Amino acid sequence: QVHLQESGPGLVKPSGTLSLTCAVSGGSISSSNWWSWVRQPPGKGLEWIGEIYHSGSTNYNPSLKSRVTISMDNSKNQFSLNLSSVTAADTAVYYCARKGFFLGSGHYYFDFWGQGTLVTVSS
Amino acid sequence: EIVLTQSPGTLSLSPGERATLSCRASQSVSSVLSSYLAWYQQKPGQAPRLLIYDVSSRATGIPARFSGSGSGTDFTLTISRLEPEDFAVYYCQQGSFGGGTKVEIK
Repeated sequence: QVHLQESGPGLVKPSGTLSLTCAVSGGSISSSNWWSWVRQPPGKGLEWIGEIYHSGSTNYNPSLKSRVTISMDNSKNQFSLNLSSVTAADTAVYYCARKGFFLGSGHYYFDFWGQGTLVTVSS
Repeated sequence: EIVLTQSPGTLSLSPGERATLSCRASQSVSSVLSSYLAWYQQKPGQAPRLLIYDVSSRATGIPARFSGSGSGTDFTLTISRLEPEDFAVYYCQQGSFGGGTKVEIK
């Protein structure tokens, strides 16, 4: 069973950079899956932020692309999110998740999630 | 970019009743992606959980009362008989996520 755990500061100042790490256990991030970040502002819906493949390829939400960087550290079996120039609108619960490969159709879906971590942007 | 619109926003039902949730895509996808749609359930304070993938396949451990259907731009999640633990928010996903439907106890 794959387990994901987010970690990082719960409070970030406006204009600063939000940095989170997702530690993966029970599976290798070098496997053929996408490793993703999803966020959820308080009381609102889910927003996909971006993802990274074991090869290092990345995809980002166009609305956040200019501010987002996702990277991975195979030696530590973890991946990270950096979101720059944050504002109060970036306050949210941030989830890391695995997009696993489903054999039938060859599509990828979010099959394992971390518990989420609340990040508040405030001075 | 395809936008997913879910309706209704809130569904008020009693345990034992049937729930029908809708997800409409702003444009149809190619035949290669025609089966690409998932449904997730999220309870308060919890991460989302995968319920349905490839439009109609149930994820591991998901009860048979959950079923998915649809094609093109119109997709449906049906819960045949609501159990107390089914009252939650449901999201469809095809790349991005829909806005969600809250199923609440009437």
